[in-house]
Amino acid sequence: DAKTTQPPSMDCAEGRAANLPCNHSTISGNEYVYWYRQIHSQGPQYIIHGLKNNETNEMASLIITEDRKSSTLILPHATLRDTAVYYCIVRAFEYGNKLVFGAGTILRVKS
Amino acid sequence: DAGVTQSPTHLIKTRGQHVTLRCSPISGHKSVSWYQQVLGQGPQFIFQYYEKEERGRGNFPDRFSARQFPNYSSELNVNALLLGDSALYLCASSLGWDSFSYEQYFGPGTRLTVT
Repeated sequence: DAKTTQPPSMDCAEGRAANLPCNHSTISGNEYVYWYRQIHSQGPQYIIHGLKNNETNEMASLIITEDRKSSTLILPHATLRDTAVYYCIVRAFEYGNKLVFGAGTILRVKS
Repeated sequence: DAGVTQSPTHLIKTRGQHVTLRCSPISGHKSVSWYQQVLGQGPQFIFQYYEKEERGRGNFPDRFSARQFPNYSSELNVNALLLGDSALYLCASSLGWDSFSYEQYFGPGTRLTVT
């Protein structure tokens, strides 16, 4: 499993964009980048995933560098409810549904 | 629609005892995965089941076992409990084994405390 590196914590002002970085320098060509988040006392929640193109959905945008060695999750207008632990995961088809979680980034959104 | 449900919500056991945790996936989902989350760490993969067959196993001792029933619900069993088994046990369901284009939906978890 490819390893990911994330900062342990970040702060963001409410209403501002939250940019969460992830390093995955050993990612393989067939591995996707996934982002999940876990709000306190709840199960993880899927946010977004991508292979090499930038992706956007109703929750967030995912920017993957051209060499695919790093990515950034963007929450365009962070709210207090976005305070959570954010996990960046790389995943290949042959892993099935197995997700390998690291320690993640604790994002604190402050008013 | 009901999400992934897990029971019980909380459980307290003594060292050496056995525990059974239960998970009901989202209707129509055929794959269930189990994860252990120790306080302060990310979830760790334990098992994946699809169509009642084990499709993956994480680095956990044989004290951990699981099974999936014809209705796709699942049980996680842990024998000879140790203090280190205290954790949040998460169940996740998805449409299929290779659910690459689909999300995994996690339940709220079962908080197990071993004393």
